[in-house]
Amino acid sequence: NAGVMQNPRHLVRRRGQEARLRCSPMKGHSHVYWYRQLPEEGLKFMVYLQKENIIDESGMPKERFSAEFPKEGPSILRIQQVVRGDSAAYFCASSPKSLQETQYFGPGTRLLVL
Amino acid sequence: AQSVTQLDSHVSVSEGTPVLLRCNYSSSYSPSLFWYVQHPNKGLQLLLKYTSAATLVKGINGFEAEFKKSETSFHLTKPSAHMSDAAEYFCVVSGSGSARQLTFGSGTQLTVLP
Repeated sequence: NAGVMQNPRHLVRRRGQEARLRCSPMKGHSHVYWYRQLPEEGLKFMVYLQKENIIDESGMPKERFSAEFPKEGPSILRIQQVVRGDSAAYFCASSPKSLQETQYFGPGTRLLVL
Repeated sequence: AQSVTQLDSHVSVSEGTPVLLRCNYSSSYSPSLFWYVQHPNKGLQLLLKYTSAATLVKGINGFEAEFKKSETSFHLTKPSAHMSDAAEYFCVVSGSGSARQLTFGSGTQLTVLP
């Protein structure tokens, strides 16, 4: 059973470009969560999605950031017009349909904005 | 709202000696609590979780944690440290209902000395 998969593992963007991060949850998992880890800090919650629905986006910046989890395909975290402060590790986690609380994390995408 | 405080940002132990990583939580309901470990440039791995069953929780790699409601603590311990235990450890509390995001502590960096 493959774990949570994220790609790319490393992403370099120049200021003003768009960053698109992908997350494929574990098989059978329909809940996806995105977290951001700034250098020397713990992870901060951004958004919680189920298939085709955003359940909780209270941790997401109001501008430039968006997330989706379509019926088919991976969840996407999109950052438009990136700035240097967006440089961070972005982690995706998933949990099963049963509202079991354990979240399983992917390896993360490390975004560097030049 | 819930919060987590990890009392030590850095802990150093000698190989073969006990490990104690301290965590206090704040929650307005019966919390679910977790310890995750993050090795350098890797994703997060679940060590153990508490979900209102037994207060002493055993995890992987010889780690265990005890939930003490009276002290609002969930300290992580291991009888004998191994070099491979060197990593960052996060104490985490889970929200409930639709607010199922995880709230992370700031992390404790464990160094194991030979």
